[in-house]
Amino acid sequence: GENVEQHPSTLSVQEGDSAVIKCTYSDSASNYFPWYKQELGKRPQLIIDIRSNVGEKKDQRIAVTLNKTAKHFSLHITETQPEDSAVYFCAASSYSNYQLIWGAGTKLIIKP
Amino acid sequence: NAGVTQTPKFRVLKTGQSMTLLCAQDMNHEYMYWYRQDPGMGLRLIHYSVGEGTTAKGEVPDGYNVSRLKKQNFLLGLESAAPSQTSVYFCASSYGAQGYEQYFGPGTRLTVT
Repeated sequence: GENVEQHPSTLSVQEGDSAVIKCTYSDSASNYFPWYKQELGKRPQLIIDIRSNVGEKKDQRIAVTLNKTAKHFSLHITETQPEDSAVYFCAASSYSNYQLIWGAGTKLIIKP
Repeated sequence: NAGVTQTPKFRVLKTGQSMTLLCAQDMNHEYMYWYRQDPGMGLRLIHYSVGEGTTAKGEVPDGYNVSRLKKQNFLLGLESAAPSQTSVYFCASSYGAQGYEQYFGPGTRLTVT
């Protein structure tokens, strides 16, 4: 079955710098890749997603890139701000197995 | 709209006790999910439902049962709680199966002593 690995588990960056979180997946049939943000004590919320027919998607300071050949996708956050501090989860799914398979999460710490 | 709600927010059980967690959504979503979240392990799917009256097993179904008697409600039951079931439980719902955003409830923190 599908397996999603996420790195790093913790990422500390200076406020204003960029942050990159990477995920790899095992099932070549996977075609939907969302990213969720979970603030401390809160519920996960979708921040951006990408489908396999697109290589990159941007939404203001966040972007996601997808490399289908290498089977990995990444979340990029530019000009980080204190409110970006949270745990970020990647996930993957396919038409044949539409359940989301989740990465273990990355705790992003923004240093002032 | 309230979105996805869960009751209770917190619960402490003794080993062997039973309880039911209630999830309700007011978005008319067909799909509903129960996850558990443990530190360093992300979200793991327990059971899910693709519509009223249907349920299916997820990744970690053992020790749990579910029911979806009404479209807006999804119940998660623990018949005989074990310390290994100490976790935060999240319910989620989505409009469609694949490629649709999952909307999460606020979570239930369960401790089994």
